Amino acid sequence: KQEVTQIPAALSVPEGENLVLNCSFTDSAIYNLQWFRQDPGKGLTSLLLIQSSQREQTSGRLNASLDKSSGRSTLYIAASQPGDSATYLCAVKVYSGGGADGLTFGKGTHLIIQP
Amino acid sequence: EAQVTQNPRYLITVTGKKLTVTCSQNMNHEYMSWYRQDPGLGLRQIYYSMNVEVTDKGDVPEGYKVSRKEKRNFPLILESPSPNQTSLYFCASSFLGGTQYFGPGTRLTVL
Repeated sequence: KQEVTQIPAALSVPEGENLVLNCSFTDSAIYNLQWFRQDPGKGLTSLLLIQSSQREQTSGRLNASLDKSSGRSTLYIAASQPGDSATYLCAVKVYSGGGADGLTFGKGTHLIIQP
Repeated sequence: EAQVTQNPRYLITVTGKKLTVTCSQNMNHEYMSWYRQDPGLGLRQIYYSMNVEVTDKGDVPEGYKVSRKEKRNFPLILESPSPNQTSLYFCASSFLGGTQYFGPGTRLTVL
């Protein structure tokens, strides 16, 4: 069964720093990997989707990489801002079978950017 | 505006009283799914649907029912709610293999 782990569970850094969030998964036969942001009491907002054939995706100050063979993904946030404070969730989708197109989530990294 | 909507957003009920949480999407997505989010356990899939009249169990289906009679709607039904179903519930939709879009969540408390 696929398991997704996110390290660290919590992170607090000063504004302006570049930072890296880590995600690892146990089964490398994934269909894609998605990074989400969740604000307190709110829903999930999709940040980046990386298909299994891709190595990275970029959106603004965010860059996500995928290394399927090692079961790892990183989310790089450049020049962090207080508005980036949120919980970041990594989720993988495996190939068909039970739960096809369902996502397996990590427990998230709670990020605080200090002004 | 493309969106997934859920109703109600907040619900307090008592054990055994049947309830339905509605989910609707306006993006013509084939795939819809329900998740629950609990502290320390993260997000777990309850049920999903690949298309109209096609549904299947996720990781934690016990105590829940779903139906998919129309493409845009995917209601979650709790026939006899129990306190262990107190949770934050999310509906999501996507094209098959595409980005999943989540609704705003329904916070359910079962007393």
